[in-house]
Amino acid sequence: GAVVSQHPSWVICKSGTSVKIECRSLDFQATTMFWYRQFPKQSLMLMATSNEGSKATYEQGVEKDKFLINHASLTLSTLTVTSAHPEDSSFYICSAALRDWVYNEQFFGPGTRLTVL
Amino acid sequence: DAKTTQPTSMDCAEGRAANLPCNHSTISGNEYVYWYRQIHSQGPQYIIHGLKNNETNEMASLIITEDRKSSTLILPHATLRDTAVYYCIVRFAGGTSYGKLTFGQGTILTVHP
Repeated sequence: GAVVSQHPSWVICKSGTSVKIECRSLDFQATTMFWYRQFPKQSLMLMATSNEGSKATYEQGVEKDKFLINHASLTLSTLTVTSAHPEDSSFYICSAALRDWVYNEQFFGPGTRLTVL
Repeated sequence: DAKTTQPTSMDCAEGRAANLPCNHSTISGNEYVYWYRQIHSQGPQYIIHGLKNNETNEMASLIITEDRKSSTLILPHATLRDTAVYYCIVRFAGGTSYGKLTFGQGTILTVHP
């Protein structure tokens, strides 16, 4: 099956710093990538949808100036958490969608655990 | 997208079949039923999806009722590694909601030795 990787798998940073998380589709081209956030004991919540070469579409309540998304190629999307604070500590997961319109299957990365001190 | 209802948790003995129900009574004709699972601290894993007919793959079977208002995911021989949160998601495949998955709380399946 299609493989999606994320880097780093975990990161600890100080409050006020920025953190960049990479999401790569390793063996396929993804026209669309998605970013989710998951707090402990909660379900995944979609943050934004990212299409290659265009601006990301953010879900209601997600600050686009705080969570910068760049999707510069068909295999790479990045999420930058700017000026991170302890409340941004969470499990960030990306997914990539294949070009097949009918099935719209998504493949998920392993996630990145962010801890802001 | 239609809302789904799943039991909060279920238990299953190793080697037995695990049957996970999902209610989606407001599903519309062009919405698919998808199942994903998430093992602790990992990204979700695709299991199976279907529209009307029952589906089977190497991981599981999906049984959709004739009126499409509910479905059951069947893991035929559950193992300890199948312990995970299972998400049933109903989603329109196409249009402006392309690719969008809305995760509910899912069912915590615990497989016991």
